[in-house]
Amino acid sequence: GNSVTQMEGPVTLSEEAFLTINCTYTATGYPSLFWYVQYPGEGLQLLLKATKADDKGSNKGFEATYRKETTSFHLEKGSVQVSDSAVYFCALSDLGAQKLVFGQGTRLTINP
Amino acid sequence: NAGVMQNPRHLVRRRGQEARLRCSPMKGHSHVYWYRQLPEEGLKFMVYLQKENIIDESGMPKERFSAEFPKEGPSILRIQQVVRGDSAAYFCASSPSGAGTDTQYFGPGTRLTVL
Repeated sequence: GNSVTQMEGPVTLSEEAFLTINCTYTATGYPSLFWYVQYPGEGLQLLLKATKADDKGSNKGFEATYRKETTSFHLEKGSVQVSDSAVYFCALSDLGAQKLVFGQGTRLTINP
Repeated sequence: NAGVMQNPRHLVRRRGQEARLRCSPMKGHSHVYWYRQLPEEGLKFMVYLQKENIIDESGMPKERFSAEFPKEGPSILRIQQVVRGDSAAYFCASSPSGAGTDTQYFGPGTRLTVL
């Protein structure tokens, strides 16, 4: 079945550091790919998405490129801020099945 | 434009009681999804509903759990005879069309604690 594997956390960085959170997937067909962010005590918010190969999603300085050849959708940000501290989830949605399949989440902490 | 609403935000039940979780989708959305998040884990799909229909319940436990999305009113996730293992955060999401490319918008969740 479909699955998503995320880089294990927790990840701790200093402010202004470069961020990469790895995400790879296994899926039949051509899924859409998503990154969601969850702040403490809150629900998930969509951070960015890509719906076909080579698409790049971007938002709030975060980027991820849909790489079909490596089945990856790694999240990157050039300069992180303390306010980026949260849990980040990679997810996929197969065209034939509307449900989202999530990775296990990566907890990110940014120190000033 | 109100987002997805869930209530209650926190729910405490004793073993054997019933839990009812409510979800009102975003305005104009007729597709609702329920997910469960166990402590320190990712979200797991439970059920997908449209108005008055269950489309996919492949993630629902076979016993004690049920869901509905009536023509009028919110979607309800019902857990009968709760056990400690049901303690989790339950999230509802909605989308406008149910297509795989659609963004699902999440509510703030209901945190269920079973004593």
